[in-house]
Amino acid sequence: KAGVTQTPRYLIKTRGQQVTLSCSPISGHRSVSWYQQTPGQGLQFLFEYFSETQRNKGNFPGRFSGRQFSNSRSEMNVSTLELGDSALYLCASNPLRDRGPYEQYFGPGTRLTVT
Amino acid sequence: EDKVVQSPLSLVVHEGDTVTLNCSYEVTNFRSLLWYKQEKKAPTFLFMLTSSGIEKKSGRLSSILDKKELFSILNITATQTGDSAIYLCAVDISGGGADGLTFGKGTHLIIQP
Repeated sequence: KAGVTQTPRYLIKTRGQQVTLSCSPISGHRSVSWYQQTPGQGLQFLFEYFSETQRNKGNFPGRFSGRQFSNSRSEMNVSTLELGDSALYLCASNPLRDRGPYEQYFGPGTRLTVT
Repeated sequence: EDKVVQSPLSLVVHEGDTVTLNCSYEVTNFRSLLWYKQEKKAPTFLFMLTSSGIEKKSGRLSSILDKKELFSILNITATQTGDSAIYLCAVDISGGGADGLTFGKGTHLIIQP
């Protein structure tokens, strides 16, 4: 079974630009979560999607947004990029068939550098 | 505010040693505690613990949870250089991932030959 895939793996953008990252969960997994990882803050929860609905969002500004498609693939978007947005963005999926709990499986991440 | 604290933050040992990594937590609604190993990019799943006192084991790695004292430990015996990584502890408060995992800062483990 293929794992979580993320594209692109690396991105370099300049301040003020916007970026879209993509995540395909493990086949059959319906819940997708996004995390930002930085050396200073560690791994922080951005948001989670299930059945095309954002169920929760972490403490991030409105410049960070996302969506999920009917095939469970998810995208996240960051608008008006700032230098502090440079980070590894990780996507995780879990099967979420009933009440759980479930382990989450991570993709390889997208390394975003903002210059 | 939910909090997960790992200790030590870094650890250097020699190959063959046994290490114990610690994770304590304070969360509003505990559902499970998870351990991950992160080498280059993606954290890879090691264990999920939900019940107190039941040890999870995989090869040289084992982990146990104490829900009364709100902590977990990850043991690695007969360490090898391939065990060098950042070990992350995370707590799930929703069971289905809706609230995301709350992570500790990680323990950076270095195994010297």
